[in-house]
Amino acid sequence: SQQGEEDPQALSIQEGENATMNCSYKTSINNLQWYRQNSGRGLVHLILIRSNEREKHSGRLRVTLDTSKKSSSLLITASRAADTASYFCATHGGYNKLIFGAGTRLAVHP
Amino acid sequence: EAGVVQSPRYKIIEKKQPVAFWCNPISGHNTLYWYRQNLGQGPELLIRYENEEAVDDSQLPKDRFSAERLKGVDSTLKIQPAELGDSAVYLCASSSSDRNEAFFGQGTRLTVV
Repeated sequence: SQQGEEDPQALSIQEGENATMNCSYKTSINNLQWYRQNSGRGLVHLILIRSNEREKHSGRLRVTLDTSKKSSSLLITASRAADTASYFCATHGGYNKLIFGAGTRLAVHP
Repeated sequence: EAGVVQSPRYKIIEKKQPVAFWCNPISGHNTLYWYRQNLGQGPELLIRYENEEAVDDSQLPKDRFSAERLKGVDSTLKIQPAELGDSAVYLCASSSSDRNEAFFGQGTRLTVV
């Protein structure tokens, strides 16, 4: 079973544009994490936001969390062709349970 | 620091045959996850270990799947017998108790023919 649902399922943009992906979840969480997966590769952790945080930045990444709406967003600013990948949100609940959503496929065109 | 190591990277087997996947987590990581990922979908949790104890295996099809983590380090995931629908990428990940982010291996792509 999957906890999170990403929106949109697919996103196509030009280099330099910003990309925004959204994630909704169903149960209470300790933290929410975002991962990237390049085609045919394993997942790579990008950023973690705790349930008591509302916004977090890391380089060109900005993550927000609204626990009242059970939703999170990932913003990638000034996108590059190398950002082309699938992006997944994952909810971390009690006892280290890490559940992933279905992902957003991002394509950044030069 | 060495990452999570999985083997084999690719496996093609005929249906009804057994198959096993191996995972070596990052040293010192007490939590180990096995996920299955179908094409175009997110990883689905199969089983989670805390040290050598399986604490969450509710999604593991126990009639044909089994897993073990001896001595709380390496882990193996076995399917016997394999079915066509088992074709997927099997991912192993590990994390430490003080940092919640998971580190993933490259995965094993299983094709059942």
